[in-house]
Amino acid sequence: KAGVTQTPRYLIKTRGQQVTLSCSPISGHRSVSWYQQTPGQGLQFLFEYFSETQRNKGNFPGRFSGRQFSNSRSEMNVSTLELGDSALYLCASSRDQQGLDTEAFFGQGTRLTVV
Amino acid sequence: QKEVEQNSGPLSVPEGAIASLNCTYSDRGSQSFFWYRQYSGKSPELIMSIYSNGDKEDGRFTAQLNKASQYVSLLIRDSQPSDSATYLCAVNLNTGGFKTIFGAGTRLFVKA
Repeated sequence: KAGVTQTPRYLIKTRGQQVTLSCSPISGHRSVSWYQQTPGQGLQFLFEYFSETQRNKGNFPGRFSGRQFSNSRSEMNVSTLELGDSALYLCASSRDQQGLDTEAFFGQGTRLTVV
Repeated sequence: QKEVEQNSGPLSVPEGAIASLNCTYSDRGSQSFFWYRQYSGKSPELIMSIYSNGDKEDGRFTAQLNKASQYVSLLIRDSQPSDSATYLCAVNLNTGGFKTIFGAGTRLFVKA
């Protein structure tokens, strides 16, 4: 069974540019969440998508956005990149059945460097 | 107050000893709790989930949950050098759906 797949693995962008990251969840998983990980702040929750709808959101500026497609694949976009956006961006998928089944599994991440 | 708090460590234990990792959380309505292990340069890996008060054992790992005290712990028995990693406590907040918040992590070193 394939795991969570994130592309690309590495990105280098210039300040002011925008970037789009992609995440393909585990087959059958309908919930996709995005996290930003930096040495200073740890794992920070960005947002969660379920059935093409953003269901939960963290405390990030509007420059960070996302979407989910009908096949549960998700993308996140960061516009007007800042140096502080350099981080490992992680995607996690969950089956999200009714009840307590919210175990989430992470992809390998996209390492974004803003120069 | 942070939503999920952990002692950042580092926690150093000798090989074969029991490592004890602790976590507290602030959302009293939370129902789902997780421990992840993250090796340097890798993504977090789920090692335990726990939903009910008490203990849950899986091999050398035991997760403990006390909802009244808003406390979660992870015990690693017979610690091995390969257990050296950062352990992340995660709590799914009671918001509906998936909003899992992570603690800052505890770095564990197991000395051979």
